[in-house]
Amino acid sequence: GQNIDQPTEMTATEGAIVQINCTYQTSGFNGLFWYQQHAGEAPTFLSYNVLDGLEEKGRFSSFLSRSKGYSYLLLKELQMKDSASYLCAVVSGYALNFGKGTSLLVTP
Amino acid sequence: EAGVAQSPRYKIIEKRQSVAFWCNPISGHATLYWYQQILGQGPKLLIQFQNNGVVDDSQLPKDRFSAERLKGVDSTLKIQPAKLEDSAVYLCASSLGGGQTGEQYFGPGTRLTVT
Repeated sequence: GQNIDQPTEMTATEGAIVQINCTYQTSGFNGLFWYQQHAGEAPTFLSYNVLDGLEEKGRFSSFLSRSKGYSYLLLKELQMKDSASYLCAVVSGYALNFGKGTSLLVTP
Repeated sequence: EAGVAQSPRYKIIEKRQSVAFWCNPISGHATLYWYQQILGQGPKLLIQFQNNGVVDDSQLPKDRFSAERLKGVDSTLKIQPAKLEDSAVYLCASSLGGGQTGEQYFGPGTRLTVT
């Protein structure tokens, strides 16, 4: 079976740093994606990790530890427009299995 | 580059009625996916096509849902008959390759309400 866990909600202040964690237990692993989804919109790609370590892309970074079944998405210098749902998704076989998403609220 | 197109954007039907959704992927993308996203949850894969062949339809409720991609380009997803629990956003996505490591591009979705 597939089990992907993320916190349901998080709140952070504009300009701050926030870390969104994702733990997974899946039958097979071929990589992990993070997607951003604004309310009423489609998910958009943020990052992809297949090897252990940190991938940095501008204000966003993503980390993966395959042995621990763990990933996090790090958002720096938070902006109001970063308020959205962040979806962790694990590639297992041919399928992309999504977690329920973490709703992030950025406050002034 | 044009993105993934879906229509309609919104649909309201009564239970036991039928409904169809259409998706046109990004040009040249071999793989097409249909997802169901219930409010407050992540997308759930319903079916994955590689060109016009089905790769994975293990989570498609085949007694009421069907999908086709006859010419390996655009696709339709049908629900017949609809149930109240089918109320959700139906997302279509496409990727260049097999999707295991390729980024998926999502369309705007069709929001279905079954009353």
